[in-house]
Amino acid sequence: KAGVTQTPRYLIKTRGQQVTLSCSPISGHRSVSWYQQTPGQGLQFLFEYFSETQRNKGNFPGRFSGRQFSNSRSEMNVSTLELGDSALYLCASSLAELDRNYEQYFGPGTRLTVT
Amino acid sequence: KNEVEQSPQNLTAQEGEFITINCSYSVGISALHWLQQHPGGGIVSLFMLSSGKKKHGRLIATINIQEKHSSLHITASHPRDSAVYICAVRDYGGSQGNLIFGKGTKLSVKP
Repeated sequence: KAGVTQTPRYLIKTRGQQVTLSCSPISGHRSVSWYQQTPGQGLQFLFEYFSETQRNKGNFPGRFSGRQFSNSRSEMNVSTLELGDSALYLCASSLAELDRNYEQYFGPGTRLTVT
Repeated sequence: KNEVEQSPQNLTAQEGEFITINCSYSVGISALHWLQQHPGGGIVSLFMLSSGKKKHGRLIATINIQEKHSSLHITASHPRDSAVYICAVRDYGGSQGNLIFGKGTKLSVKP
């Protein structure tokens, strides 16, 4: 069974631009969560999607948004990029909603650099 | 104060040593996760537990719900165990399963 895939793996953008990251979950998984990892803040929860609905969102500004498609693939978008958005963005998939405590499987991440 | 505290932040061990990493949390939780992150960045879920103890190979994870504390033990450590180990708790409060992460423990096992 293929694991969680994320594209692109690396990305360099300029301040003020926007970016879209993609995540394809493990086949059959309906929950996709996104996380941001920076050296200063560590791992932080961004949002969770289940069956095309956002169930939960972390403490991030409205510039961070996402969506999930009917095939469970998910995208996250960051608009008006700031230098502080430079981070490793990880997605994880799970069979069911996060609060049902099924195991999560992480993708390799997208490393975003904002210059 | 962070809701999830890990100790130590950094740990260097000789191959074969017994290793313990600790995690304390202050929120009510429905589950606690131990994650492993290698230098390339990929994260692997090691354990998810809500009570008692779990064992997988040389790794053992325990949790004490009353004391809000969990430990990850590695027996007979090996250089390939070198990684960052992250504790995360699933808050059962109003956040619908939001994961809250510790800052991680960087383990280096020398041959």
